[in-house]
Amino acid sequence: GAVVSQHPSWVICKSGTSVKIECRSLDFQATTMFWYRQFPKQSLMLMATSNEGSKATYEQGVEKDKFLINHASLTLSTLTVTSAHPEDSSFYICSATGVREQFFGPGTRLTVL
Amino acid sequence: DAKTTQPPSMDCAEGRAANLPCNHSTISGNEYVYWYRQIHSQGPQYIIHGLKNNETNEMASLIITEDRKSSTLILPHATLRDTAVYYCIVRVYNAGNNRKLIWGLGTSLAVNP
Repeated sequence: GAVVSQHPSWVICKSGTSVKIECRSLDFQATTMFWYRQFPKQSLMLMATSNEGSKATYEQGVEKDKFLINHASLTLSTLTVTSAHPEDSSFYICSATGVREQFFGPGTRLTVL
Repeated sequence: DAKTTQPPSMDCAEGRAANLPCNHSTISGNEYVYWYRQIHSQGPQYIIHGLKNNETNEMASLIITEDRKSSTLILPHATLRDTAVYYCIVRVYNAGNNRKLIWGLGTSLAVNP
């Protein structure tokens, strides 16, 4: 099946710094990518939908100025967590839409100290 | 808001069939049912999806009731590597007309030797 990669797989940062997470579709072009967040023992929560070349659509309650999404090409979307705080510590997962299903990346574990 | 309900946990003996139920009584006529699974600290893995007909692939079978209010995922010969959280998901369209997966809490399946 199609492959979606994320980088980095884990990151530890200090409170107040910004962290960028990359999501790439390796063998297909993804016009739409999604960013999710998952807290321990909880389900995936959709943060935003990203269409190539246009502004992302954020879910209710997600701060667009804090979670900056850029989808500059058909194979790359980035999520930047700006001024990260400990409550932003979570498992961030991206996915890319194929012909019929969504393919998910392996996730990025963010820990903010 | 999740549109599906699943039992929080299930057990299955290795080599036996695992039948995972899902209720989606408010599903609309054009909304697909998707199944994904997530092994601890990894990204979700696509399993199967369907609209109203039963579906089978190399991983599993999906049985959808005639009224489409419930479905069952069948893993015909469960192995220890099938231990994971299984999510039954309804795919809807968001305000931007993008396909969107609504995630519930899933069923934690434990396959026992």
